Amino acid sequence: EVRLVESGGGLVKPGESLIISCAASGFTFETYSMNWVRQAPGRGLEWVSSIGYSGIDIRYADSVKGRFTISRDNAKNSLSLQMNSLRAEDTAMYYCARGHYGDLFDWFDSWGQGTLVTVSS
Amino acid sequence: EIVLTQSPDTLSLSPGERATLSCRASQSVSSYLAWYQQKPGQAPRLLIKDASDRATGIPARFSGSGSGTDFTLTISSLEPEDFAIYYCQQRSDKISFGPGTKVHI
Repeated sequence: EVRLVESGGGLVKPGESLIISCAASGFTFETYSMNWVRQAPGRGLEWVSSIGYSGIDIRYADSVKGRFTISRDNAKNSLSLQMNSLRAEDTAMYYCARGHYGDLFDWFDSWGQGTLVTVSS
Repeated sequence: EIVLTQSPDTLSLSPGERATLSCRASQSVSSYLAWYQQKPGQAPRLLIKDASDRATGIPARFSGSGSGTDFTLTISSLEPEDFAIYYCQQRSDKISFGPGTKVHI
């Protein structure tokens, strides 16, 4: 069974940093692209970042480019998102999601339950 | 940037009725379109990929159609568990989601 478990969310002040993580199990992690998708309270889904299976290909949404860094550790089956210079508008549930075909831009066929990041003074 | 618009915003229906949801892209996405279902407090679930291909385990009452800029998700006969928010997503140029359609009783 595919399992994605996010962790590391919490309350931070504007301008601060936070790292969130996703632990993957139940599939061959190193063969799938991985992604972060967020959802602000009461709002729709917003793609944040994607990373290819090897970790070389990476893309970001314009809203986070230059502030967020996605990375993966295939030996540990883990995905991370380093978030710097956080803003109130970054407040959201952050979901880890697996790419279906292994393409950098893909369908999201498995999702974690999310970790909540709140940016407030 | 490809913008997806969904209509209607909300759909009020009863169990057993047919639901027709639309998604329109600001430019052609070919068949690079998917549909997701999200229930309150839950993560989204992939329903349809590549415009018309049901994902694993998705009931046959869900079907997708369209190509280019206009797409439709049809639920042939609503079950109580189908009342949720539905999002479309494209992967033709980066990734973007539509704003969602809420299907409620």
